[in-house]
Amino acid sequence: GAGVSQSPRYKVAKRGQDVALRCDPISGHVSLFWYQQALGQGPEFLTYFQNEAQLDKSGLPSDRFFAERPEGSVSTLKIQRTQQEDSAVYLCASSQLVATWGTEAFFGQGTRLTVV
Amino acid sequence: SQELEQSPQSLIVQEGKNLTINCTSSKTLYGLYWYKQKYGEGLIFLMMLQKGGEEKSHEKITAKLDEKKQQSSLHITASQPSHAGIYLCGADNNAGNMLTFGGGTRLMVKP
Repeated sequence: GAGVSQSPRYKVAKRGQDVALRCDPISGHVSLFWYQQALGQGPEFLTYFQNEAQLDKSGLPSDRFFAERPEGSVSTLKIQRTQQEDSAVYLCASSQLVATWGTEAFFGQGTRLTVV
Repeated sequence: SQELEQSPQSLIVQEGKNLTINCTSSKTLYGLYWYKQKYGEGLIFLMMLQKGGEEKSHEKITAKLDEKKQQSSLHITASQPSHAGIYLCGADNNAGNMLTFGGGTRLMVKP
């Protein structure tokens, strides 16, 4: 596609429910990033993939958060047993570059998760 | 870890007025990025600065990086309602695998 696509755009989950958020990066982009943006805050880094390899998951807040990119393209961020503090916008970004952020990173529109 | 402090946190200006947003880092900046975000949307890249003293402009927006590479400013001249949104600065962690963002500055432009 022309840009980074995220789905769903909006998700309401009951506390304790599992959710899966999808990111379709720009075709051919090697690097993929997930960020979490709480209301009124800047984005916080969650995890980074280079192709299918998850090279950095230091930002994942708990073991309830899991991300994968099995074929080096589409990525899924899964949150198990959602809690109210998980409510945020989840942003995905992809880049054709490795080892540098550069000006070639593009963000998706995000998935707004609300846990009730 | 690197921390970025943005000021002000929010700003309301009258259309046509100039404004400045600041971004201060706790460490030397290797790459400083400015993004704009509209409500419910992703981040749109504005400019990147790398060298001390560097200045870049795009339309009515100018960004500068100070000589010591620890502070950047974003200046908007003759603001318009289309400039409204959240402005975010981001710093390259020098390992290339992520940006650290500031808390954002929420700009509203009153017509």
